[in-house]
Amino acid sequence: QVTLKESGPVLVKPTETLTLTCTVSGFSLSNARMGVSWIRQPPGKALEWLAHIFSNDEKSYSTSLKSRLTISKDTSKSQVVLTMTNMDPVDTATYYCARILRYYDYIWGSYRFYFDYWGQGTLVTVSS
Amino acid sequence: DIQMTQSPSSLSASVGDRVTITCQASQDISNYLNWYQQKPGKAPKLLIYDASNLETGVPSRFSGSGSGTDFTFTISSLQPEDIATYYCQQYDNLPRLVTFGPGTKVDIK
Repeated sequence: QVTLKESGPVLVKPTETLTLTCTVSGFSLSNARMGVSWIRQPPGKALEWLAHIFSNDEKSYSTSLKSRLTISKDTSKSQVVLTMTNMDPVDTATYYCARILRYYDYIWGSYRFYFDYWGQGTLVTVSS
Repeated sequence: DIQMTQSPSSLSASVGDRVTITCQASQDISNYLNWYQQKPGKAPKLLIYDASNLETGVPSRFSGSGSGTDFTFTISSLQPEDIATYYCQQYDNLPRLVTFGPGTKVDIK
């Protein structure tokens, strides 16, 4: 059974650094076809992709937030960690981690990619 | 970055109605397009991948079609449990970025 669970602070102050941990079970972070992504959703607003990481340590970041984000993984602990610096009240959101299933399409010569399992999400409020 | 738009932003329909949502990409994305359902207070759930493939366990009243820049998501017969916000999502292989559409909220009339 695949599960993902987010953990971290529920409240951070402006300018502080947020550190979130996603602990996964039911699959290995060393699986080449799978990765983990962080996605957030401000209250009442749309989903926003933040970053992802794969088994070979390939990482990608949102263009608009790249300078503030760092994603890493500890395969032995089955954990993926996201840090976001210089937090602001506009960063108040529910933060989700999700498993990525990715496979190479040899006909088109590119990867197909989707989020097949999600964590329950964790609400982070930024306020002084 | 590729931009995604969805229309309508919200809709209200009766039980049993056919519901259609469109998603448009700012450039050709072939069929690299997925659809998710998010019920209030819950995490999103994958419904359709690669534009038209139904995820295992998803009811057959859900379907998707399209390629290039224009995509359609359809609920053939709306059920009360389909009340949710629906998002399209694309993956751009170069430069390996993900974009979600702004969502379409579906209510029962």
